[in-house]
Amino acid sequence: GQQLNQSPQSMFIQEGEDVSMNCTSSSIFNTWLWYKQDPGEGPVLLIALYKAGELTSNGRLTAQFGITRKDSFLNISASIPSDVGIYFCAGQRNNDMRFGAGTRLTVKP
Amino acid sequence: NAGVTQTPKFRVLKTGQSMTLLCAQDMNHEYMYWYRQDPGMGLRLIHYSVGEGTTAKGEVPDGYNVSRLKKQNFLLGLESAAPSQTSVYFCASRGTGGTEAFFGQGTRLTVV
Repeated sequence: GQQLNQSPQSMFIQEGEDVSMNCTSSSIFNTWLWYKQDPGEGPVLLIALYKAGELTSNGRLTAQFGITRKDSFLNISASIPSDVGIYFCAGQRNNDMRFGAGTRLTVKP
Repeated sequence: NAGVTQTPKFRVLKTGQSMTLLCAQDMNHEYMYWYRQDPGMGLRLIHYSVGEGTTAKGEVPDGYNVSRLKKQNFLLGLESAAPSQTSVYFCASRGTGGTEAFFGQGTRLTVV
């Protein structure tokens, strides 16, 4: 079954609003990653987190690796229409990589 | 730069037919993965490989087989296709020193 629980499942927001989504797991991961998928494409990496407690930013995106190594969140500030897509969290442990179910983001102009 | 290439992009199979999906990467990556994506379930790991000649089971391996005879190629086989295997299949590769996995554009498979 799904090892990563991602929420919310979907979000409808107005352009300019901030967005927050998170991922939790019953297992410890060594690395947390956040990906974005556009329609008809494969996921593309947004942010990678390597250490517990790490807070990393990439432009308007900020993500944190939870202290317990079992959770992570992603924030998007001042959303724009091109932020539309599906956002996935992913955890890496040893050689495999598991994904959450995704958060579908819709941004209304 | 080709990156990760999946073939075919679309396929329709009849129940019971077999087929092979090909994933090719030109980045000399050690790790390769096959996922399936279904609505509301995200990406689920089918099988993966940590190097040429090696394979390992993921979350949902039943009904699929894989082979990694060459480092650049990772093949996913469906032995006897079932409607439950209707899905979008993604291949990804990752280097040993790197974290970022690069994905192909997906293969949309329909089993009728």
